[in-house]
Amino acid sequence: EAGVAQSPRYKIIEKRQSVAFWCNPISGHATLYWYQQILGQGPKLLIQFQNNGVVDDSQLPKDRFSAERLKGVDSTLKIQPAKLEDSAVYLCASSLASESGYTFGSGTRLTVV
Amino acid sequence: GQQLNQSPQSMFIQEGEDVSMNCTSSSIFNTWLWYKQDPGEGPVLLIALYKAGELTSNGRLTAQFGITRKDSFLNISASIPSDVGIYFCAGRGGTSYGKLTFGQGTILTVHP
Repeated sequence: EAGVAQSPRYKIIEKRQSVAFWCNPISGHATLYWYQQILGQGPKLLIQFQNNGVVDDSQLPKDRFSAERLKGVDSTLKIQPAKLEDSAVYLCASSLASESGYTFGSGTRLTVV
Repeated sequence: GQQLNQSPQSMFIQEGEDVSMNCTSSSIFNTWLWYKQDPGEGPVLLIALYKAGELTSNGRLTAQFGITRKDSFLNISASIPSDVGIYFCAGRGGTSYGKLTFGQGTILTVHP
């Protein structure tokens, strides 16, 4: 089966600019996650979707971050405006159900300068 | 929130040696998972543990779910150069709706 697809792989932007990341989960996976991984740390959950509904966004900085999964398939994560501390790898993952193990994409490496 | 303490932070070993790393938590988890991450890639699942006391193997990898449900370890036997990477433990609690909390990672370097 095809894996979790993410794009772009790399992005460099200036602070205060906007950026968007895209994720296409494994076909049929109802649960989708966005994680932020800062260099030298483990991934940290930003938001979890079950189909097109948000299950957990408690750690999403909602003043600047937003995410949607309109049709319960693809998802986009947006940062507006970006700050230097947003430099990280943004990982998308999907699973059949919330209790299942999940599959990660290769991530988008964001550098804010 | 839930915190995971993973150790050691890094290991430098010779090819053929065995490796052990562990994770402890301040909270009880219902699931423990071990992932490996190569540079430029997302984490890949190595072993999943679903029951306290469970001992599971996957080739040269063995992991255990601690009896207290607050810890887990991963052993790699007879290491080879392709074992190089960052290993993460991750735990899932009872009311976390699937959310995984990750440890800080163990960087493994294997010298041929």
